Amino acid sequence: AQKITQTQPGMFVQEKEAVTLDCTYDTSDQSYGLFWYKQPSSGEMIFLIYQGSYDEQNATEGRYSLNFQKARKSANLVISASQLGDSAMYFCAMIPLGGSARQLTFGSGTQLTVLP
Amino acid sequence: GAGVSQSPSNKVTEKGKDVELRCDPISGHTALYWYRQSLGQGLEFLIYFQGNSAPDKSGLPSDRFSAERTGGSVSTLTIQRTQQEDSAVYLCASSSGVLPYEQYFGPGTRLTVT
Repeated sequence: AQKITQTQPGMFVQEKEAVTLDCTYDTSDQSYGLFWYKQPSSGEMIFLIYQGSYDEQNATEGRYSLNFQKARKSANLVISASQLGDSAMYFCAMIPLGGSARQLTFGSGTQLTVLP
Repeated sequence: GAGVSQSPSNKVTEKGKDVELRCDPISGHTALYWYRQSLGQGLEFLIYFQGNSAPDKSGLPSDRFSAERTGGSVSTLTIQRTQQEDSAVYLCASSSGVLPYEQYFGPGTRLTVT
């Protein structure tokens, strides 16, 4: 079984500042993938970034980077230079890569508000 | 190209009625998923289709829930004898089935059971 924990129900950040959204996970799988999705108030789920458990380097996608610490089982999302449009719900998720299961297990989310 | 589409976008139904929710995945995507998101919650996995393999139904909450995928493309999620606790947003996602297995989500169907 897999579990994702996001301990920050809400976060505030000043525009242009960096912010870190926490995510820890628990799994018995040796091989897995970690994702972050953004969900604006409009409701759509937007894929942001992916990290494979076998990747030695942290994933980066533009202003998003994933701080992957395998030994600590953490996969924090770092957003640099926050913008007002970054205000949204952010979900950390995990997928097993061994076996045939491919469903995502999601955390409860963090509501990020970017202040002008 | 077109993304994942779902219909209807909103559905209000009376308790006890059956409902059908439709998902059109991205063309060529072999994997299709259904998730449920209750108010203020994360997403809960319901069912997963991969090609012609038997679906993974391990997330379906009760036997009132079923889904099918015809011709490896369009999928229908059916909820029989709806209950108020079924009220949620039902999200469909599709994936190419190739690493990194990112899933592309549709806009969801908001189901309200009165």
